[in-house]
Amino acid sequence: RKEVEQDPGPFNVPEGATVAFNCTYSNSASQSFFWYRQDCRKEPKLLMSVYSSGNEDGRFTAQLNRASQYISLLIRDSKLSDSATYLCVVSLFEGAQKLVFGQGTRLTINP
Amino acid sequence: DADVTQTPRNRITKTGKRIMLECSQTKGHDRMYWYRQDPGLGLRLIYYSFDVKDINKGEISDGYSVSRQAQAKFSLSLESAIPNQTALYFCATSDPGQGRGTQYFGPGTRLTVL
Repeated sequence: RKEVEQDPGPFNVPEGATVAFNCTYSNSASQSFFWYRQDCRKEPKLLMSVYSSGNEDGRFTAQLNRASQYISLLIRDSKLSDSATYLCVVSLFEGAQKLVFGQGTRLTINP
Repeated sequence: DADVTQTPRNRITKTGKRIMLECSQTKGHDRMYWYRQDPGLGLRLIYYSFDVKDINKGEISDGYSVSRQAQAKFSLSLESAIPNQTALYFCATSDPGQGRGTQYFGPGTRLTVL
């Protein structure tokens, strides 16, 4: 079983739609959680951290369910520029800043 | 100028050749990482270094070696390249003071081993 699992998609949605991605992780000792964004042929960049209480950044909302070991990302009022691959990322507390990446979910926003 | 740079950006080589990928950063971060990315597998950690005297193996270190020449430089070597090392390679840096998940990636090196 992969440590971090995501639905690879692709997700194709019309502009303005709301889209949600899910992610599960296997290590219950995981301490920190993140969503990264990767544009085609580019490097990954941090989109947002995910906190237990849930957090929002503009049109983006991230939630964490530690009991179910589940992370989600919601994008409201999607824009063409949101087209990218979204990577679910987990940090394992081993005294080191090591990240474990999911395979990514590809999203395409259609005009 | 980019904070994290990688050279070369693209490389095609033959099986058995020695290859070195270089990473430089101007962010002043102590921590540096090498990942490879393959379709359907996500990014996997090859090696990481928390300072000039510290080198650690990651998830998939076999067939690779690294050198931390200075705080700003971290090189990845393939001693004898093989076709299944064809992948997109990323270098990254981080600063613990900015939280445990913020890593800054270079633009990547696309390596093809024939």
